Amino acid sequence: EPEVTQTPSHQVTQMGQEVILRCVPISNHLYFYWYRQILGQKVEFLVSFYNNEISEKSEIFDDQFSVERPDGSNFTLKIRSTKLEDSAMYFCASLRLAGKNIQYFGAGTRLSVL
Amino acid sequence: GESVGLHLPTLSVQEGDNSIINCAYSNSASDYFIWYKQESGKGPQFIIDIRSNMDKRQGQRVTVLLNKTVKHLSLQIAATQPGDSAVYFCAENIQGSNYKLTFGKGTLLTVNP
Repeated sequence: EPEVTQTPSHQVTQMGQEVILRCVPISNHLYFYWYRQILGQKVEFLVSFYNNEISEKSEIFDDQFSVERPDGSNFTLKIRSTKLEDSAMYFCASLRLAGKNIQYFGAGTRLSVL
Repeated sequence: GESVGLHLPTLSVQEGDNSIINCAYSNSASDYFIWYKQESGKGPQFIIDIRSNMDKRQGQRVTVLLNKTVKHLSLQIAATQPGDSAVYFCAENIQGSNYKLTFGKGTLLTVNP
């Protein structure tokens, strides 16, 4: 069964450093998302991406964040200058947009900012 | 404002019992609801969904009930098994919102053998 894959599974970085989290959405899906989950809290929407552009972003998604779909398969989230409070699980999700609008999630990347 | 919340943060049941996990939402514009299961160290996994034009939907061992009058959603798991132990989130999708999901806080279900 097709699945969303994310790499790395765990990323440790120093405060102020740039990180890139990578995702490969399901191949015939058209909408792509990033969510984050701070330890013990609910999953929060960050950004949605459709037709090669951001379709919506949350207040969390400030100028330090960016997303890119550099080729036909990858979808990345970049944090330019990480802060301690960016430590969280980051989940990528994709949606086909034909029939059911079920979002399928990857296993996540745990980001630890020291 | 929009919000999705859960009444019970934890639920402990015996293997074989039925489990009921509840969720409240406040945005009447929500038209689609999903239950996700999250096991430790994994991403949310789709369980079952329901559209706002339905009151009930059944899957394999799971049933979702939607009461739009009181903006309440529940997930029923029949004959709960140890493998059902996880955190369960309800999520809502609001019309015109790029299908983004708003999640509730989650309920930890523990199944005792």
